[in-house]
Amino acid sequence: SQKIEQNSEALNIQEGKTATLTCNYTNYSPAYLQWYRQDPGRGPVFLLLIRENEKEKRKERLKVTFDTTLKQSLFHITASQPADSATYLCALAYDAGNMLTFGGGTRLMVKP
Amino acid sequence: KAGVTQTPRYLIKTRGQQVTLSCSPISGHRSVSWYQQTPGQGLQFLFEYFSETQRNKGNFPGRFSGRQFSNSRSEMNVSTLELGDSALYLCASSEGDGTFNQPQHFGDGTRLSIL
Repeated sequence: SQKIEQNSEALNIQEGKTATLTCNYTNYSPAYLQWYRQDPGRGPVFLLLIRENEKEKRKERLKVTFDTTLKQSLFHITASQPADSATYLCALAYDAGNMLTFGGGTRLMVKP
Repeated sequence: KAGVTQTPRYLIKTRGQQVTLSCSPISGHRSVSWYQQTPGQGLQFLFEYFSETQRNKGNFPGRFSGRQFSNSRSEMNVSTLELGDSALYLCASSEGDGTFNQPQHFGDGTRLSIL
């Protein structure tokens, strides 16, 4: 079965630096890969979606890359701020009609 | 537009009881998915409904069921509750005909505690 790995240890970085979070998967590549942010006690909030045939997607300070050879997606937050502190989840879908499978999430702490 | 609304926010039940959770999707969204989130297993897909039909189902026992109404509102039911059912239950809606090639819009969940 598909396994999705995100670094379970918290990532601590200094304000203003770039945060890079990793999502690795096994087996075959998904058609769609999504990233979400989740704050304590709240539901996940959608950030970015990247398709299998796309290498990179950007939105303001956020950037996602998708490398099907490495079976990996990287999620970057540039000029990080304390308000970016949250848990970030990646999620994969193999086609539009298939279910979304989530990784365990990585907690990001941005210190002032 | 109002976001996804889940009720109730918190619920306490005892083993053996049953529970019904409610989800109102964003207006115009016809797809509703349900997820269970626990510290040990993370976010796991339960099922997805589109236009009152279940299209996808995750790997959960038959005690977990759901339905969707003609106005796209959805309910999920868990019967014969077990201690391990304690979790945050999240509902998400999405627009269009596709499902998982679209952003999922989540509610803030129902926190279910089983005593």
